[in-house]
Parts: sequence; C-alpha cells; structure tokens
Amino acid sequence: GAVVSQHPSRVICKSGTSVKIECRSLDFQATTMFWYRQFPKQSLMLMATSNEGSKATYEQGVEKDKFLINHASLTLSTLTVTSAHPEDSSFYICSARDPGGASDTQYFGPGTRLTVL
Amino acid sequence: GDSVTQMEGPVTLSEEAFLTINCTYTATGYPSLFWYVQYPGEGLQLLLKATKADDKGSNKGFEATYRKETTSFHLEKGSVQVSDSAVYFCALSEEGSGNTPLVFGKGTRLSVIA
Repeated sequence: GAVVSQHPSRVICKSGTSVKIECRSLDFQATTMFWYRQFPKQSLMLMATSNEGSKATYEQGVEKDKFLINHASLTLSTLTVTSAHPEDSSFYICSARDPGGASDTQYFGPGTRLTVL
Repeated sequence: GDSVTQMEGPVTLSEEAFLTINCTYTATGYPSLFWYVQYPGEGLQLLLKATKADDKGSNKGFEATYRKETTSFHLEKGSVQVSDSAVYFCALSEEGSGNTPLVFGKGTRLSVIA
C-alpha cells in the first residue's frame, strides 16, 4: 500500500523552543493531509486538515498560531509546534489519501513522539 | 455529529481464544467503516474496511461485517495469537471520499498471553 513517512520519530526539546514535524507521502501525491494528536491510552483527535497551496483548516480548540501547518508541496506537510510547553507532549500522527488508490482509505504515518521538558 | 463507540479495554485473552471487539457508530449518511491497529510504538495500520451495508472486511484472520440495521461493525477473530497484542481502533469516514478526516473510537487494547 501507499507509504507515509514522518520525521523525526521522536523529539525531546526544552520548554519554549519550537519543533517542526514533517509528513511525507513517499509514492503518491496528496492534496490533503490530516494531522492528529494522540494522548496516552486515548484515541486520535483531529487537529487540522492540511491543504496543498492553501491555509490549513483547524478544529475547534486548536490554536492555529501555536500549531503552524504548511503544505507547500503535494508530498510534504509540516507541523510546527511553536513555543512548546510540557502540555504539548504527545504523539502526533499525520495521514493522507492516495488518489490512485481506494477512494476512502487513508494511510497513516508512523507518528512522532514529542516530549517537552 | 458523527461518533464511534468501542468497548472499553483492556481485553486480555489466552492464545487461541476467540476475540470480539464491539463497535457501534452514529452517522448522518452512509459512512465507510474501518478497523485500524496500532502495535506498540508504531503508527496506525489499516486492518480492514467495509464501504456499504452487509459488506464484510477481512484481513489476517480478522473479520468485521457492516451492519446498518444495528449500526455496528464488530471485530472478530477466531483464534488470537500473541502477535495480535495491540490497540484496535474502529473508525468511520462519512463521505467516503478520503478527503474527510476519520472519526475514531477510543481504541481497545488487546493483550494476548501465551
């Protein structure tokens, strides 16, 4: 099936710093990617929808100035956690649909575990 | 809005036991239904899916049937293995286009002991 990668897989940073997470579709072009957040032992919560060439659409309660999303190409979306704090520590997962595949199937990246000290 | 409800875990089974993880959904239209699996330390992988009523999705010995009359999509496996230990998420996609995000249940952690 289609492959979505994320980088880095793990990151530890100090409070107040910014962290960039990359999500790449390796063998297909994705006009839309989704960013989810997963707290320990909980489900995935949608943060935002990333649209290539336009502004991301954020879910209610997600601060767009804190979680900056850029989808500059059809194979790359980035999530930047600005001025990270310990409460931002979480597992961040992206997903994308392969236009050449089944119309309703999304492929997920392996996730990025962020720990803010 | 749309929602997915899964049975709460954790579920602990002995190897070769029968597995059922219940999932029910609420949706306004005719969603596609999915089961995703998350192994320890990894991201989500699609396990199986069904796109319309009475469809049965199956993969790796797991099965789930799309029951519109009961709005359910229960996951079953006849004989679980230790390697099946993971967290299982039921999910739906309302429009079925793939361009709408998935709505997930809270996940059910399965532990299989030898």
